[in-house]
Amino acid sequence: GQQLNQSPQSMFIQEGEDVSMNCTSSSIFNTWLWYKQDPGEGPVLLIALYKAGELTSNGRLTAQFGITRKDSFLNISASIPSDVGIYFCAGRGANSKLTFGKGITLSVRP
Amino acid sequence: NAGVTQTPKFRVLKTGQSMTLLCAQDMNHEYMYWYRQDPGMGLRLIHYSVGEGTTAKGEVPDGYNVSRLKKQNFLLGLESAAPSQTSVYFCASQRDHEGEQYFGPGTRLTVT
Repeated sequence: GQQLNQSPQSMFIQEGEDVSMNCTSSSIFNTWLWYKQDPGEGPVLLIALYKAGELTSNGRLTAQFGITRKDSFLNISASIPSDVGIYFCAGRGANSKLTFGKGITLSVRP
Repeated sequence: NAGVTQTPKFRVLKTGQSMTLLCAQDMNHEYMYWYRQDPGMGLRLIHYSVGEGTTAKGEVPDGYNVSRLKKQNFLLGLESAAPSQTSVYFCASQRDHEGEQYFGPGTRLTVT
């Protein structure tokens, strides 16, 4: 089946730093979604991307839909302690179902 | 507008017991989903529904049944719980086949 790769599994950054994470696939997707999950909570949608090359921002977050339609990037600028959590990417292909990455755990040192 | 809600939040079952997890959404979404989340495995689709009265199998459907009698509700049943079904269960809904998918807060189930 379709696989989404997110690596590394964990990232550690200093408060105030920018961080970039990417998600790659062997298959083409029509939609990319980025979620954040806090401990004990459900994933919360951060950004949705619908067109190849699309660049979308949501506050300090910026995400891009890769031109090849096989990847997407999420950037967080000027990180703050509440950015801690697990960040998932998800891609939707022709079958309309979402495929999820396994997530990157982000830690922010004050 | 509560979005997607799930009940219960926590449950402990003994092996062989049955239970039903309830998901409700107030966004008038057509599509609803049940996932399980396990360490190192990510989110895996159990069953889904593309409209009232319809259900379909996902990636890991064995041991689970679902029903979508009303558009706003999607029920997940475990007929005979097994320890392998210990997991966190998430419900999600989506406006249509291209819409954004929104998740509930989850149900943490332990089967002993």
